[in-house]
Amino acid sequence: DAGITQSPRHKVTETGTPVTLRCHQTENHRYMYWYRQDPGHGLRLIHYSYGVKDTDKGEVSDGYSVSRSKTEDFLLTLESATSSQTSVYFCAISDPGVLQAKNIQYFGAGTRLSVL
Amino acid sequence: QQQVKQSPQSLIVQKGGISIINCAYENTAFDYFPWYQQFPGKGPALLIAIRPDVSEKKEGRFTISFNKSAKQFSLHIMDSQPGDSATYFCAAKAAGNKLTFGGGTRVLVKP
Repeated sequence: DAGITQSPRHKVTETGTPVTLRCHQTENHRYMYWYRQDPGHGLRLIHYSYGVKDTDKGEVSDGYSVSRSKTEDFLLTLESATSSQTSVYFCAISDPGVLQAKNIQYFGAGTRLSVL
Repeated sequence: QQQVKQSPQSLIVQKGGISIINCAYENTAFDYFPWYQQFPGKGPALLIAIRPDVSEKKEGRFTISFNKSAKQFSLHIMDSQPGDSATYFCAAKAAGNKLTFGGGTRVLVKP
């Protein structure tokens, strides 16, 4: 999984609790992304980052926040988890400065989150 | 609003047969069209990709056909093998290296 580690891999939590998912990369790629995967919807972009402290919203950002204080770490926080946020979450990385791979996104193994 | 529509949702093909997955997009600003393959419990991985100035790209048993005027592209898997059983996602890239994904197609290749 291209030097990308997601933690935890599985988590069960209760409605209303805060949850933080971590993505750690060892590739020094500039761009990082958080997606959620749900049946029939493919992968939908939640937030992305194009550098340290530079983040922006994706198409399904409501209820989520992100932070990136170091190149290698991108955190996704659910401030108050809801059952609709039960999903599989994927982190991805890319770097437009890498000539042969500038458009390629590499994905982590995912975090399965259940909100009860 | 789904900007990339993918069909079918699932597909069963016999070993040695051809699997065909179709995608249609709306945004003419998309400039790169990858296909990702995902096995259970794993993250998606890039399979093959095409730019809109090319009508076809082939890599081994996998071929992308691209029709810019119709805003459609498709993945053909020739001589399908049981190891090709996976979920396939088409995607389209816009500015900022952001990908918009189709809904996915689960392919099962029967021996």
